[in-house]
Amino acid sequence: EADIYQTPRYLVIGTGKKITLECSQTMGHDKMYWYQQDPGMELHLIHYSYGVNSTEKGDLSSESTVSRIRTEHFPLTLESARPSHTSQYLCASSPGTGRPGGANVLTFGAGSRLTVL
Amino acid sequence: AQTVTQSQPEMSVQEAETVTLSCTYDTSESDYYLFWYKQPPSRQMILVIRQEAYKQQNATENRFSVNFQKAAKSFSLKISDSQLGDAAMYFCALASIQGAQKLVFGQGTRLTINP
Repeated sequence: EADIYQTPRYLVIGTGKKITLECSQTMGHDKMYWYQQDPGMELHLIHYSYGVNSTEKGDLSSESTVSRIRTEHFPLTLESARPSHTSQYLCASSPGTGRPGGANVLTFGAGSRLTVL
Repeated sequence: AQTVTQSQPEMSVQEAETVTLSCTYDTSESDYYLFWYKQPPSRQMILVIRQEAYKQQNATENRFSVNFQKAAKSFSLKISDSQLGDAAMYFCALASIQGAQKLVFGQGTRLTINP
């Protein structure tokens, strides 16, 4: 059973709409991540967070924004959706410390599949 | 920059047989983690196996084992006694020990199990 929850699982919207993808985890993890998975299945990091009030851009430029007001919550927002934003978005979290082992293991949510018409 | 390359977009294997998925990577760091993740169709990504670069012994998890060649920067996954439930996309990934510990993923290999 998942300890990290993403909603909605599927979303179809029109161009120009504002959307928020929700991600919550119950494991008390400090670090959280958003990955974008394209149709070819490659995953690209678009945002990450070290902890509350900490957010950083990932390796792939994205027009989306994120916030981290609470440890367990890491929502992703698109102010004006476009067809180029059509993709699957995966949220993940990991413990905040280095070794011992387990610190780098990401737990993933089930994903939010976004289609912008 | 860290990169991960999976040169096999698709692989197939007969049920109960053994299959090896390839992965090469590049990093300037001497210590790091390597992972294999599995993503079944329309399901959650889950960890299959993990290897710390400073450990010379290859990691094993039941039917899954790795062949870690640090000098060659190679990290292949062997699945023994393949089962229908092993059908999935498999991703090789690399992460630093320190800092944000961001995972860099390979392109993925789609594994099909033939009954």
